[in-house]
Amino acid sequence: AQTVTQSQPEMSVQEAETVTLSCTYDTSENNYYLFWYKQPPSRQMILVIRQEAYKQQNATENRFSVNFQKAAKSFSLKISDSQLGDTAMYFCAFMRTPLQGGSEKLVFGKGMKLTVNP
Amino acid sequence: NAGVMQNPRHLVRRRGQEARLRCSPMKGHSHVYWYRQLPEEGLKFMVYLQKENIIDESGMPKERFSAEFPKEGPSILRIQQVVRGDSAAYFCASSSQRGPGNTIYFGEGSWLTVV
Repeated sequence: AQTVTQSQPEMSVQEAETVTLSCTYDTSENNYYLFWYKQPPSRQMILVIRQEAYKQQNATENRFSVNFQKAAKSFSLKISDSQLGDTAMYFCAFMRTPLQGGSEKLVFGKGMKLTVNP
Repeated sequence: NAGVMQNPRHLVRRRGQEARLRCSPMKGHSHVYWYRQLPEEGLKFMVYLQKENIIDESGMPKERFSAEFPKEGPSILRIQQVVRGDSAAYFCASSSQRGPGNTIYFGEGSWLTVV
């Protein structure tokens, strides 16, 4: 079974600074997807960024980028130029690919609370 | 294009009552997922449905919980004889096709409180 670990329960950063959120996972599969979701105080789950395991290039979405280390099973999220609106819970998630059978269920880490201070 | 709609947003039930949570997927989406989030925890998969079919219910408790996604109408997550431990946020998500290449969109969640 796949597991996702977010070892830092909480972090804070000053506005405009850069912060990195860590995530490790465990799987025996070779092809899969990794995600970062954001859950602001409104509690809605918002997709931040997605990485396909077979792609070596790290995904980027504006101020958000990942450092994907497949051999180390590490998937960290870097937020540049932090904004007050980035304050939220951040969840790392894993999904196996459908070619291997089964459903596309997401396995989530326990989350990390990020606070951006003015 | 309206997003994933869940209702009610907040539901209070006494122990032993039934809870029904509804989810209307995004327009054009035929795949629905239900997740549960306990306090201070990440989301845990419960069930994956397509129209009129349960594809994967490996995360559903064996008793009291059921889910359906009829040909017409919203998907329903039903919890019978609720207990305090059922208090949680229940999230519905939908996608247009099978496969993680297609983005899964989440609703805003339904908060169940059992008193």
